[in-house]
Amino acid sequence: GIQVEQSPPDLILQEGANSTLRCNFSDSVNNLQWFHQNPWGQLINLFYIPSGTKQNGRLSATTVATERYSLLYISSSQTTDSGVYFCAVAQGLTGANNLFFGTGTRLTVIP
Amino acid sequence: DGGITQSPKYLFRKEGQNVTLSCEQNLNHDAMYWYRQDPGQGLRLIYYSQIVNDFQKGDIAEGYSVSREKKESFPLTVTSAQKNPTAFYLCASSNPQGGSYEQYFGPGTRLTVT
Repeated sequence: GIQVEQSPPDLILQEGANSTLRCNFSDSVNNLQWFHQNPWGQLINLFYIPSGTKQNGRLSATTVATERYSLLYISSSQTTDSGVYFCAVAQGLTGANNLFFGTGTRLTVIP
Repeated sequence: DGGITQSPKYLFRKEGQNVTLSCEQNLNHDAMYWYRQDPGQGLRLIYYSQIVNDFQKGDIAEGYSVSREKKESFPLTVTSAQKNPTAFYLCASSNPQGGSYEQYFGPGTRLTVT
């Protein structure tokens, strides 16, 4: 399967600060998703971004497929942004598209 | 409201017992998946199903079984053959037939086996 590396593994921010999370992957992909896992374990979809750039409020993401990495930007962080952020990728061209996950970045935003 | 439901939220079993975890979706998605998450780790694929009455093993299928008799349901059985069953189990679905590979997840079931 594809290897997915996320960095940094842990990040502590003061409320209002900005941050960049990185995801490197070992092969070409046709699916890349960013998730936020809340304290109850629910995976919340942030972005579906196999290539290009997207923005949603204070969050934005960029995937450079040819260089096999993706970045998640969080601006003006809030305490509710705390949790674990996962990057997941898949290669399948048809049918079910099995995701390979990184080990996540644990973000703690302090007031 | 469309979504994925998993039940129960918490499940406790004695070693040697089989247990079945429920996953239901009303998103009309064709593909469904089961993942396992261990503490401090990402998710790993157990089984997936592209259509009714068809399913495939994922990376860690040993000790698990599934069925897909209805489009909206994909139950997972954790058998006594699974050596380390205590984990957080998440179900997901996607709609590749509709042109999207994006996966959506249920709230998960925390299984503890003692």
